[in-house]
Amino acid sequence: NAGVMQNPRHLVRRRGQEARLRCSPMKGHSHVYWYRQLPEEGLKFMVYLQKENIIDESGMPKERFSAEFPKEGPSILRIQQVVRGDSAAYFCASSPLADSNTEAFFGQGTRLTVV
Amino acid sequence: QKEVEQNSGPLSVPEGAIASLNCTYSDRGSQSFFWYRQYSGKSPELIMFIYSNGDKEDGRFTAQLNKASQYVSLLIRDSQPSDSATYLCAVNRDNYGQNFVFGPGTRLSVLP
Repeated sequence: NAGVMQNPRHLVRRRGQEARLRCSPMKGHSHVYWYRQLPEEGLKFMVYLQKENIIDESGMPKERFSAEFPKEGPSILRIQQVVRGDSAAYFCASSPLADSNTEAFFGQGTRLTVV
Repeated sequence: QKEVEQNSGPLSVPEGAIASLNCTYSDRGSQSFFWYRQYSGKSPELIMFIYSNGDKEDGRFTAQLNKASQYVSLLIRDSQPSDSATYLCAVNRDNYGQNFVFGPGTRLSVLP
């Protein structure tokens, strides 16, 4: 059973370009969470999605960032017009249930560098 | 006041000793509490979670929760150099979902 798969592992973008980060949850998991980890900082919650629905986007910046989890295919975190401050590791986690006492499994992350 | 606080460390302990990692949280309505370990440049790995007051043991690890004091801890017995990592305390405020509030993490160094 493959774990949470994120790609690409490393992504370099020039300022102003778009970044697309993909996350395929573990098999059987329909709940996906995106977190951002800035250098030397802790993980910050961004968004929680279920298939075709955004459940909680309270951690998403108001502009340039969007996320989706379509019925088919991976979850996508999209960052438009990237700036240097977007450089970070972006982690995706998935869980099989919405139960708050259920383990969430993390992917290996995508390290975005904006040059 | 930050929502989840941890000492940033580094916390250094000799091999074989007990490492004690502490975490406090501000939201009294928090439901469940998770400890993750993160090696440098890697993804967080779950160590254990706890949601009832008291102790929960899993191998060399014991999580302790005191909701009245809003305090959760992780004890690592017989610490090994391979335990050297950053330990993240995560608090789940809701009954629904896994949208955690993470603490900044405590760096643990186990000295051979």
